[in-house]
Amino acid sequence: GQQVMQIPQYQHVQEGEDFTTYCNSSTTLSNIQWYKQRPGGHPVFLIQLVKSGEVKKQKRLTFQFGEAKKNSSLHITATQTTDVGTYFCAGPNTGFQKLVFGTGTRLLVSP
Amino acid sequence: DGGITQSPKYLFRKEGQNVTLSCEQNLNHDAMYWYRQDPGQGLRLIYYSQIVNDFQKGDIAEGYSVSREKKESFPLTVTSAQKNPTAFYLCASTPGLGLYEQYFGPGTRLTVT
Repeated sequence: GQQVMQIPQYQHVQEGEDFTTYCNSSTTLSNIQWYKQRPGGHPVFLIQLVKSGEVKKQKRLTFQFGEAKKNSSLHITATQTTDVGTYFCAGPNTGFQKLVFGTGTRLLVSP
Repeated sequence: DGGITQSPKYLFRKEGQNVTLSCEQNLNHDAMYWYRQDPGQGLRLIYYSQIVNDFQKGDIAEGYSVSREKKESFPLTVTSAQKNPTAFYLCASTPGLGLYEQYFGPGTRLTVT
């Protein structure tokens, strides 16, 4: 079945360092969504990318959708302790009935 | 204030007992979903419902049951047939099936001993 993998599984950075998580799908995606889950919390929607090669920015966060629409990345510039959490990508299954979530990347930021 | 509520936040049960987790939304969304999350892992879909009185199995439906008698409510029952029920359960909703962002409830952490 459709699989969405993320790397790395876990990353620990010092505050101020950059961070990138990569998302790879086994199938072409019509769109991709990114979510953030704080420790002990629930996933919160960050953004949706639809077009091939699309790049969107939200303050220090940069999201990119690959040209082949099978991969995506989230880059955080100059991390802050408030960035701590797990970041998930998600894409619709072939029939558009449900989202397939990636395995997630857990980010820890030390002050 | 629109949103999704799940209750209780923490739930403890003895092995062999069925337990029902509540999920209510006042967003007027048609579609609702139940996910299971295990420590350090991603979200796995248990069941989803597109409209009232209709629901579909997700990837890990065995040992679970749902009902959708009202648009606002989508309760999940964890039955005694579920071999490893201890997990974090998340309910979500969207306006319909398709390319929508998912709105999540705060989750219920179920512990079965």
